[in-house]
Amino acid sequence: GQQVMQIPQYQHVQEGEDFTTYCNSSTTLSNIQWYKQRPGGHPVFLIQLVKSGEVKKQKRLTFQFGEAKKNSSLHITATQTTDVGTYFCAGRLNYGQNFVFGPGTRLSVLP
Amino acid sequence: KAGVTQTPRYLIKTRGQQVTLSCSPISGHRSVSWYQQTPGQGLQFLFEYFSETQRNKGNFPGRFSGRQFSNSRSEMNVSTLELGDSALYLCASSSGLAGGNTGELFFGEGSRLTVL
Repeated sequence: GQQVMQIPQYQHVQEGEDFTTYCNSSTTLSNIQWYKQRPGGHPVFLIQLVKSGEVKKQKRLTFQFGEAKKNSSLHITATQTTDVGTYFCAGRLNYGQNFVFGPGTRLSVLP
Repeated sequence: KAGVTQTPRYLIKTRGQQVTLSCSPISGHRSVSWYQQTPGQGLQFLFEYFSETQRNKGNFPGRFSGRQFSNSRSEMNVSTLELGDSALYLCASSSGLAGGNTGELFFGEGSRLTVL
């Protein structure tokens, strides 16, 4: 079945450093979404990528969708303590099918 | 606009019992998905309902079941509980357009189940 992997599993950074998490799918995806879950909270939608090679930015966050639509990345520039949480990617093979979530990358930011 | 509401928020059961969890989606949303979240397995998809029909199903045993009512509210049931069923059960609603483009998932706070 479809598998979605993420690396790294954990990342500890000093406040102000950059952070990147990578998402890889065993199959080509129709679209991919990213979510953030704060400690003790629930996942919150960040963005959806649909097109091959797509790049989207949200302030300090940059999202990319690979040319082959099998991988994606989330890059945070100059991390802040408010960035702490677990970042999940979720991929879908085709519209109408469910999203498969990656295991997540837990980010810790040291002040 | 009210968010996704899940009840109960916390519950404790013993092995062999059964449990029913409830989810009220955002008004106007017709798709409700259920996920099981555990520290070791991440977010595992259980099933999705759209307009009272199960549209997708994950790889869980038949002890896990669900349904959706005409007002889009959904329930999931777990029978014959096992220790490994202890988890946070998350419900997510989306517009779930008829064409299948479910778009953004809005998650509830979850129901934390502990099985003793």
